[in-house]
Amino acid sequence: GESVGLHLPTLSVQEGDNSIINCAYSNSASDYFIWYKQESGKGPQFIIDIRSNMDKRQGQRVTVLLNKTVKHLSLQIAATQPGDSAVYFCAEMKASSYKLIFGSGTRLLVRP
Amino acid sequence: EAGVTQFPSHSVIEKGQTVTLRCDPISGHDNLYWYRRVMGKEIKFLLHFVKESKQDESGMPNNRFLAERTGGTYSTLKVQPAELEDSGVYFCASSQVLGNTEAFFGQGTRLTVV
Repeated sequence: GESVGLHLPTLSVQEGDNSIINCAYSNSASDYFIWYKQESGKGPQFIIDIRSNMDKRQGQRVTVLLNKTVKHLSLQIAATQPGDSAVYFCAEMKASSYKLIFGSGTRLLVRP
Repeated sequence: EAGVTQFPSHSVIEKGQTVTLRCDPISGHDNLYWYRRVMGKEIKFLLHFVKESKQDESGMPNNRFLAERTGGTYSTLKVQPAELEDSGVYFCASSQVLGNTEAFFGQGTRLTVV
């Protein structure tokens, strides 16, 4: 499968702890902000999205926070599990363009 | 239901050769996208099909890349002639609804040009 880039920032957490993955975005005109997860050997998988007019959205064990003032997006994972180990990518989308603009990834390692 | 499938999973070719990557989207998904990740950097958009038509090909790096989707089903991405900087992982994704933030990705094709 695809190997993770050598220079990806890495977050290492203990199993059961909460994880927070951060992303800075550049385009204030984006309509949606999205988080994708990529496990080794697989393609990116959608986790959760948030509209630009919202500041918080919760899913199952995940919460996405959007701070438009400082152009910051974060993904919080509650009770992190070994299966959460992956590379996480933030992405943006303008409703008129239909394409995903990905940010740099963050590798999450979960220690047993 | 089968997900997005890509073939081959790996390809190693010499500089100057031609390679064709194939993507089979989820059945019924009119929207098909190609992305690539080069040298461990960000995943970059290449182009977007709606059925057999190219909706947006603004991400195609140069005219050595040719994408087709005849009949609006599977798609091919041909690189001719391949250069060293084309090495990377090429992803295909599909979605049913235009503008859906949830795109379904294939496992990718790792292309190595030597």
